[in-house]
This record gives sequence, C-alpha cells and structure tokens, in this order.
Amino acid sequence: GAVVSQHPSRVICKSGTSVKIECRSLDFQATTMFWYRQFPKKSLMLMATSNEGSKATYEQGVEKDKFLINHASLTLSTLTVTSAHPEDSSFYICSASRPGGAGETQYFGPGTRLLVL
Amino acid sequence: SQQGEEDPQALSIQEGENATMNCSYKTSINNLQWYRQNSGRGLVHLILIRSNEREKHSGRLRVTLDTSKKSSSLLITASRAADTASYFCATDPSSGSARQLTFGSGTQLTVLP
Repeated sequence: GAVVSQHPSRVICKSGTSVKIECRSLDFQATTMFWYRQFPKKSLMLMATSNEGSKATYEQGVEKDKFLINHASLTLSTLTVTSAHPEDSSFYICSASRPGGAGETQYFGPGTRLLVL
Repeated sequence: SQQGEEDPQALSIQEGENATMNCSYKTSINNLQWYRQNSGRGLVHLILIRSNEREKHSGRLRVTLDTSKKSSSLLITASRAADTASYFCATDPSSGSARQLTFGSGTQLTVLP
C-alpha cells in the first residue's frame, strides 16, 4: 500500500519559536495533501488543503499566517507553525490523495506530536 | 466542520464478542470510509463504501450504509484485544473540493482479554 511519512514524529519547542513539519508521499506523487489537527481524545479537524505548485486552501478559522503550508513538489508538503504558543500543542496529521482513478482513498502519515512549552 | 457523529463514544466488550459502531452524517456523499487509530498514531484505512452500495465486507469487518437515513455502521466480529483502538468514520462529499474528508467524532473501542 501507499506510504506517507511525517517528520519529526515528536517535537518539543519553546514558546515563540517556529516548527516545521514535513509530509512525504514515499511511493507515489500526490498533487493534493491535507493537513489535520487532532486534540486528545478528539476527532481530526481539517486545517488546510495543500496543492502542489499553488497556494494552500485554509479552512475557516485557521490562520494562514500562523500555519504556513508549502507544497513545493509532488512528494513533499510542509507545515510550519510560526511563533508557536502552548495552545498550538497538538497532534498534526497529514494525508495524501493518490491521483488518477477514483482517487478516493487518502493515505495518512503517522502524525507529529507538537508540545510547546 | 465536523458533520459526522458517532455512537457510542466509548465501547467496552469482551474478546470474542462483536462490536458495532454507528455513524451519522448530514450532507450528500460520494462515499463513506472507516478508519482506525491506535493511541498516538496515524490513521489506518479500513474500508470504503460508495453511496450506491448498501453493504460491504472485509475480513471480520462489515459496513452498512443507509443513504436515506444518512447513517452507516461498522461491525467487527469475533473481536480481539488487538482491535482496541479509536474508530472514525469519514465522509467524502459529493460536491465541493475533491477528497476533503470530514471525520466523525470517533468511537473508542476497548476489547478486554
């Protein structure tokens, strides 16, 4: 099956610093990647849709200047949490849609746990 | 926004019993998918059922879809302790941006050995 990786898997940072999370599709080219946020014992909330070569589409209530998304290649999307604060602590998960065919299944990365002190 | 509601929120059963989880949604869909998440991990795709399908099987999993009631159920038969996880339904809308999944609130399943 398709593989999506995320790096790092876990990060602890000080308040005010920026953190970059990478999402890679390892064995297919993903024109579209999605970024989700998940709080403990809660569901996934879609943050933004990342399209290769164009600006990301953010969901209502998600600050685009706070959560910078770059999809520079067909296998890599990055999420940068700028000037992180403790309330940004969360589990961030990316997924990638495989192009062609029905493209119905999304492949999820293992997630990145961010803790902002 | 979350359109899927799942019940129960938590379910605890003995190994060998069957587990049934339900999901309701609000808008029209192309398909509905079920995912599994172990604690602190990513999501694993379990099964996809299209809007024109009513039932689908995969191993010990059985999924039903009732588009008139906008609901789906996931049945896990002969449960095992390793089935302990959170289970989420996700809907793929029939309009709007392609493949933007909307997740339900999830059911935490605990299978006791």
